[in-house]
Amino acid sequence: EGQLVESGGGLVQPGRSLRISCAASGFTSDDHGMHWVRQVPGKGLEWVSGIIWNTGNTGYADSVKGRFTISRDKAKNSLYLQMNSLRVEDTALYYCGKDIEPGGLASWGQGTLVTVSP
Amino acid sequence: DVVMTQSPLSLPVTLGQAASISCRSSQSVVFSDGNTYLNWFQQRPGQSPRRLIYKVSDRDSGVPDRFSGSGSGTDFTLEISRVEAEDVGIYYCMQGSHWPYTFGQGTKLEIK
Repeated sequence: EGQLVESGGGLVQPGRSLRISCAASGFTSDDHGMHWVRQVPGKGLEWVSGIIWNTGNTGYADSVKGRFTISRDKAKNSLYLQMNSLRVEDTALYYCGKDIEPGGLASWGQGTLVTVSP
Repeated sequence: DVVMTQSPLSLPVTLGQAASISCRSSQSVVFSDGNTYLNWFQQRPGQSPRRLIYKVSDRDSGVPDRFSGSGSGTDFTLEISRVEAEDVGIYYCMQGSHWPYTFGQGTKLEIK
């Protein structure tokens, strides 16, 4: 159906900040959630944060609560993740995902790599 | 949080044979609207995850009918009726009924 394109990843030192973005296009429904899911290379998938597009309600994994902030810009059809106080263990490929219907993560982007290293 | 437990974690299969992956949740994943938001994803090497199955047994568009999902409550299964070479990868279950969404550990399917 649609397309998700992440950007903004890179190399950052521990304790610093980074904002990653996800541009959405071609979707017919904006009623449900958009999410960030990360994957350490060679490891499994971890849900990081989500936002209900219409209401702006948000949720976070305990591992990032208080450090990461998810937001969206309806006019730009874009999703963001502001990551503060980054840690080495935040190093991962960050995927943007969209619910086409509730609870489904039907569509995924190609990911943007965040590397936290001294 | 709902813990999702998959088995087996490694699944060697002969081409043309059937394969089955189990996923169990630590609590019911029936949502308040009566739906069960249990999904299955395939991740081929070097690719993003791709959803195969949603709401336990509904196949996504373009997914071959050799993939099927079943189950209810806390026990779910993904079955591949005749494994093909293109099915190699890691399979994850995920519940979307409760936030945070949670994934199983992944099952690595390989060809014997």
